[in-house]
Formats: sequence, structure tokens, C-alpha cells
Amino acid sequence: QSVLTQPPSASGTPGQRVTISCSGSSSNIGSNYVYWYQQLPGTAPKLLIYRNNQRPSGVPDRFSGSKSGTSASLAISGLRSEDEADYYCAAWDDSLSGLNWVFGGGTKLTVL
Amino acid sequence: EVQLVESGGGLVKPGGSLRLSCAASGFTFSSYSMNWVRQAPGKGLEWVSSISSSSSYIYYADSVKGRFTISRDNAKNSLYLQMNSLRAEDTAVYYCARYGSGEKGMDVWGQGTTVTVSS
Repeated sequence: QSVLTQPPSASGTPGQRVTISCSGSSSNIGSNYVYWYQQLPGTAPKLLIYRNNQRPSGVPDRFSGSKSGTSASLAISGLRSEDEADYYCAAWDDSLSGLNWVFGGGTKLTVL
Repeated sequence: EVQLVESGGGLVKPGGSLRLSCAASGFTFSSYSMNWVRQAPGKGLEWVSSISSSSSYIYYADSVKGRFTISRDNAKNSLYLQMNSLRAEDTAVYYCARYGSGEKGMDVWGQGTTVTVSS
């Protein structure tokens, strides 16, 4: 069971806008930045969003991130077939039990 | 080209040991914190361990604490993960990942190396 909670699946049709949620707690999302990673089938993860809502160079502006309290969201607008992938949220967790990076369980995005 | 290349994976029996390596190129390795992240077959990403640029700060997931040791050699541009007392649940693809300066997240990933723990 992951510390960050994501829906296991999401779907949309080409051109649609989809959002993926990520729920955490005060020790992770509530007090630290949120990151999003995209993992295409059979490949290594790729950084999609850093510091809650910043895009690395080369990431299309169709991808956007937001954070509010202990939750975060990834939005993908103008959905394309090549967006079909697994998406993971992550955050640093500084609870009393120690310091860790924590990931969500991942959301499999299907483009119908 | 900025690149990370893992090696050292393989098949090992429960209770055995393995040492993973990650060779960095195309950037100033000694300036960056580094991480190991693993992914069990058909499962999600799991952070394993982090090490700061000068090895001053080291962190481990509870699942590997006391069994795994992360280290680095900045002169050799290399990151390591010594894995002892391996268990079946350690079976996974192991990725090394650079932590970008300015809290830019794990911005560079290797292709991964597969570790299988089985008798």
C-alpha cells in the first residue's frame, strides 16, 4: 500500500482533458513539493512535473500540475495517443519515523 | 549527453548478495544527490535509497534498512548499491536516478538493471 494515493486507472479520448489525483498527508504533500513522472511501456520513468507545477524543458505545456493542501493533481489537456502510460506522483516525506521519498501507486492512463 | 548506465543485476539465491553500479557521464557527478528506485514486476515505483553529493547524508527505505548500503565514488563518477541478505521481494528492476539541483526532482534516469532473487 503506497503512502500517496492515486486512482489505479484513468481514461480519455483524443483531445480530451484528463486529471489524475494524488492524495497524501501533512508530512509529505502538505509540507513538500510534489513531482510527477511518466513511464511509457517498457521504459524508464521520465520527470514530467517538478516543484508542484514546473515543467522541465521539452515537456509539452499540455501537462500541468497543481497542489492544494495535502493533495495534488496532474492535468493533461489535448490528450494524444502517445500519452498512454503510467503516471506516478512523488514527494519527500519527513515524518517522525524518518526521511523518505514516497511514491503513489501509479495511474494507468488509457487513450480510448 | 547526460547519461546513467546501471549494471550488476542478475539472478541470486535468497540470502545472497549483489552489488549494483551506476556509471554517470555528461554532467558533474560530484554536484548531485543520487537515488536508487526499484520496480517489482507489474508493480509501481518504490524508492530505495538516497545519497547526497558528498555522501554526508544517506537515507534508506525501511524495507531495505540494515541490508542495503548506498555509496558513491565521485572520482569514478559512479554510484553503488550493495545488497545483502536478499529476499524474494527484492526482485525488481533497479534504476539509478539523479536528483536535479534546485529541487528539480529525479530528472535523469538510467535504463535499469534487473535483480531476480530466487532459489
